[in-house]
Amino acid sequence: DAGITQSPRHKVTETGTPVTLRCHQTENHRYMYWYRQDPGHGLRLIHYSYGVKDTDKGEVSDGYSVSRSKTEDFLLTLESATSSQTSVYFCAISEAGLREDTQYFGPGTRLTVL
Amino acid sequence: EDQVTQSPEALRLQEGESSSLNCSYTVSGLRGLFWYRQDPGKGPEFLFTLYSAGEEKEKERLKATLTKKESFLHITAPKPEDSATYLCAVQAERGSYIPTFGRGTSLIVHP
Repeated sequence: DAGITQSPRHKVTETGTPVTLRCHQTENHRYMYWYRQDPGHGLRLIHYSYGVKDTDKGEVSDGYSVSRSKTEDFLLTLESATSSQTSVYFCAISEAGLREDTQYFGPGTRLTVL
Repeated sequence: EDQVTQSPEALRLQEGESSSLNCSYTVSGLRGLFWYRQDPGKGPEFLFTLYSAGEEKEKERLKATLTKKESFLHITAPKPEDSATYLCAVQAERGSYIPTFGRGTSLIVHP
């Protein structure tokens, strides 16, 4: 199994509070991604990173920010959580650019915003 | 815009009843097509990557095939432990390496 951990695994918070989710990898992969997964929508990309301090937006980036100060860590921040951000969040890693650039996923974080 | 459509959305099988899941895709030049398995409460688990039409890959009771427009995941003599959601994703040859995911097929195998 790819060495990817996510923390916390579960979180309940209130509307308007800031929330930070952490993804940590031990594979030294260049690319890291944050997805959310909701019934009826499948996996949707929030933000991704192609190197330390290099990030870009995905299709559902509004209300989210990211930071990557080290190769192994990718943080997702909800500046002011809303109920629409209740979801399951997955981190993924890959060595994009090579033939074997498969994405490997973490175990997920279930976030509930009340 | 790359698109991936998976069918059926849900499939119920009896143990031992073989079937196939479909992944139809539209992409401007295919770099790779990926199959994942996802169990409830867990992250997607990588199964296969297919790169060119005619390619096939097998793992236990699963076999993935690829044409220029679709991929099939064949499940031979399934067991209850094969119950999961199966996700398909495509990666385009040009632009970013970000794959486009389908919504998945939920498979339930009854004993």
